Amino acid sequence: NAGVTQTPKFQVLKTGQSMTLQCAQDMNHNSMYWYRQDPGMGLRLIYYSASEGTTDKGEVPNGYNVSRLNKREFSLRLESAAPSQTSVYFCASSTDRGDTEAFFGQGTRLTVV
Amino acid sequence: QKEVEQDPGPLSVPEGAIVSLNCTYSNSAFQYFMWYRQYSRKGPELLMYTYSSGNKEDGRFTAQVDKSSKYISLFIRDSQPSDSATYLCAMSSSSNTGKLIFGQGTTLQVKP
Repeated sequence: NAGVTQTPKFQVLKTGQSMTLQCAQDMNHNSMYWYRQDPGMGLRLIYYSASEGTTDKGEVPNGYNVSRLNKREFSLRLESAAPSQTSVYFCASSTDRGDTEAFFGQGTRLTVV
Repeated sequence: QKEVEQDPGPLSVPEGAIVSLNCTYSNSAFQYFMWYRQYSRKGPELLMYTYSSGNKEDGRFTAQVDKSSKYISLFIRDSQPSDSATYLCAMSSSSNTGKLIFGQGTTLQVKP
């Protein structure tokens, strides 16, 4: 059982380049999330999707776009990467019940130079 | 001021010690409280989950929530080198448990 799978695991971009981070879950969860983790800041929510076809902004959405392609897949796109977007990005998924956990992927380490 | 404050450490203890990790928060709407453990270069994984106030115990781990003081704690008894990791507190006002506010994380090292 793979859980939450993120690709790629590592990426180096030049300022101004674009890229899409991919995320897929095989747990039949309705909700999916994108977080970024920076030193001393913990994890911060970028965007989330409560169900297929819906997306909402989180705490730090500027500079990002998302697509909930289907129930399994939720992608994060950087249209014009900036050095401030250097971070570790985590995708997560959960059910809608209040007594269940959010499952996280292994992360994508992105460096923008 | 951050909604959730957590001492980043690092915290270094000898094997067998009792470890206390803490978070304070400012949003009285938080009802769901979690502790995640994150090993180096891995994703966070849920360690403990508590709804509202009270204590919860799971093996060597005990989570406490004091909503009147806006303070949560995680205690680790008989700490082991395998407990060396970053511990993140997380909170939510919604039953949608993936939409979380995290503390900064405390890095713990347990020395043999």
